[in-house]
Amino acid sequence: DAKTTQPNSMESNEEEPVHLPCNHSTISGTDYIHWYRQLPSQGPEYVIHGLTSNVNNRMASLAIAEDRKSSTLILHRATLRDAAVYYCILKRSNDYKLSFGAGTTVTVRA
Amino acid sequence: NAGVTQTPKFRVLKTGQSMTLLCAQDMNHEYMYWYRQDPGMGLRLIHYSVGEGTTAKGEVPDGYNVSRLKKQNFLLGLESAAPSQTSVYFCASSYEEWTEAFFGQGTRLTVV
Repeated sequence: DAKTTQPNSMESNEEEPVHLPCNHSTISGTDYIHWYRQLPSQGPEYVIHGLTSNVNNRMASLAIAEDRKSSTLILHRATLRDAAVYYCILKRSNDYKLSFGAGTTVTVRA
Repeated sequence: NAGVTQTPKFRVLKTGQSMTLLCAQDMNHEYMYWYRQDPGMGLRLIHYSVGEGTTAKGEVPDGYNVSRLKKQNFLLGLESAAPSQTSVYFCASSYEEWTEAFFGQGTRLTVV
């Protein structure tokens, strides 16, 4: 399985943007980049995913490098509710499992 | 929609006891999964199912059995609980293997 590397933790102020980096230098052509987050004492929650092009949805944006060896999850205006562990996961379309690493713990200051 | 519902939410077992965790989804999803999460770690896949009547092993299947008799339900069984199975268990479902997965709230299991 291709691996991802994320910072252990990041801090942000409320209503400011948060940029969460993820390195995946061994990504293959069939790997999708998925992001999930896990709020305290809850199950993981899907955030966004993409293959090659940048993606936007109501929760976040995903910027994918041209060589696909890295990506950035962007939370446009952090709220206290965005404090969570964010997981960057590579997933092939025919692979059933999501391989969760340690993720990035995001703290949002009021 | 309730989404993915796990029962029970908390349980304490004695070593050697058995129990079944129930996962129910109301989204008509084909795929269902059981994960475990240990402190400070990411989730690991125990077993999964690609449709009613099918099950398959994940990364850490030893000590667990599963059944998918109905499309909406996925049961995880512990035949003889061990302290190493103390963990938080999450069930998930998805429409296809490449679509987003929806997770339950988790079952916190302690084996003493």
